[in-house]
Amino acid sequence: EVQLLESGGGLVQPGGSLRLSCAASGFTFSSYAMSWVRQAPGKGLEWVSGLSGGGGSTYYADSVKGRFTISRDNSKNTLYLQMNSLRAEDTAVYYCAKASTVTTDAYFDYWGQGTLVTVSS
Amino acid sequence: DIQMTQSPSTLSASVGDRVTITCRASQSISSWLAWYQQKPGKAPKLLIYKASSLESGVPSRFSGSGSGTEFTLTISSLQPDDFATYYCQQYNSYSGAFGQGTKVEIK
Repeated sequence: EVQLLESGGGLVQPGGSLRLSCAASGFTFSSYAMSWVRQAPGKGLEWVSGLSGGGGSTYYADSVKGRFTISRDNSKNTLYLQMNSLRAEDTAVYYCAKASTVTTDAYFDYWGQGTLVTVSS
Repeated sequence: DIQMTQSPSTLSASVGDRVTITCRASQSISSWLAWYQQKPGKAPKLLIYKASSLESGVPSRFSGSGSGTEFTLTISSLQPDDFATYYCQQYNSYSGAFGQGTKVEIK
């Protein structure tokens, strides 16, 4: 059974940093691209970042480029999102999502339960 | 970047109604389109991929069609469990952009 478990969310001040983790199980982690998708309170889904199965290709939404860094440790079956210079508009539930293929141009067949990030003073 | 536009934003319907949601892409995405259902406080759930392929375990009352820039999600007979928000997503490019969502409400 595929499971994705996010952690690391919480309250952080504007300008601060946070690192999200997503522990994966139930599939061959390195064979699939992974992404982070967020949802601000009462709003729709926004793709944030994605990386290929091997981790060699990374992509970011313009809204987070230069501030967020996606990475993965295939030996630990874990996906990460390092978030720096956080802004109020980054407040959202962050989901990790498994892609259907090793490349990022794929749909998401499994999602984690999400972790809430609140950026506020 | 490819932009996705859904319509309507909100839809009021009754149990048993046939419901159609439209998704338009700002440029051709062939058939690289997925549909998701999301209920309050829950993660999205994949319904349809490659525009018209039904994900395993999804009821057959859900169907998808279209190609290029215009796509539709149809629920043939709306059930109580179907009241939710639906999103389209393009995966022709790496960004995986979503539509803004369509909330299906009880009439």
